[in-house]
Amino acid sequence: AQTVTQSQPEMSVQEAETVTLSCTYDTSENNYYLFWYKQPPSRQMILVIRQEAYKQQNATENRFSVNFQKAAKSFSLKISDSQLGDTAMYFCAFRPQYGNKLVFGAGTILRVKS
Amino acid sequence: ETGVTQTPRHLVMGMTNKKSLKCEQHLGHNAMYWYKQSAKKPLELMFVYSLEERVENNSVPSRFSPECPNSSHLFLHLHTLQPEDSALYLCASSQDLAGPSSYNSPLHFGNGTRLTVT
Repeated sequence: AQTVTQSQPEMSVQEAETVTLSCTYDTSENNYYLFWYKQPPSRQMILVIRQEAYKQQNATENRFSVNFQKAAKSFSLKISDSQLGDTAMYFCAFRPQYGNKLVFGAGTILRVKS
Repeated sequence: ETGVTQTPRHLVMGMTNKKSLKCEQHLGHNAMYWYKQSAKKPLELMFVYSLEERVENNSVPSRFSPECPNSSHLFLHLHTLQPEDSALYLCASSQDLAGPSSYNSPLHFGNGTRLTVT
């Protein structure tokens, strides 16, 4: 069974600085998809960024980028130029190539301070 | 407009009550999901529906009963719940189920229903 581990329950960062959230996962599959979701206080889960396992190039979306290390089964999220609106719970998620289950980590609370 | 709307936002019910959670998606998606989010635990997938047919039930107790009358609506009927069922219940939808195209079919979530069982 696949598992996703987020080892940082809480993180803080100063506005305009950079922060990295860690995520590791366990799977025996060769191809799969990885996602980072953000859940602000409004509770709505919002997709931040996604990565296909067979693509070596790290995904980027504006201020958000990932460091995907397939051999290490690591998928960290880097947020550059942090903004107050980035304050949220961040979830790392794994989805096999075939199968309906999106497996989530326990989440990391990120607080951006002014 | 989030595209996925859940009602009610908050619900308090006793263990003997019967209530229903409602989810509606305006995105033209074919698949809908119920997730349970408990404090300090990963999100747990409960049910998956594709084109109104249930395709996955992850060992959820029978006191939770899903219903999908059409591809835009999903309900979760609740009866004789336990206090440990208190959680945030999230509905989500995606264009299609998993497969080679699922990368381009991420989940879109609603704002959830905060359920408290007393």
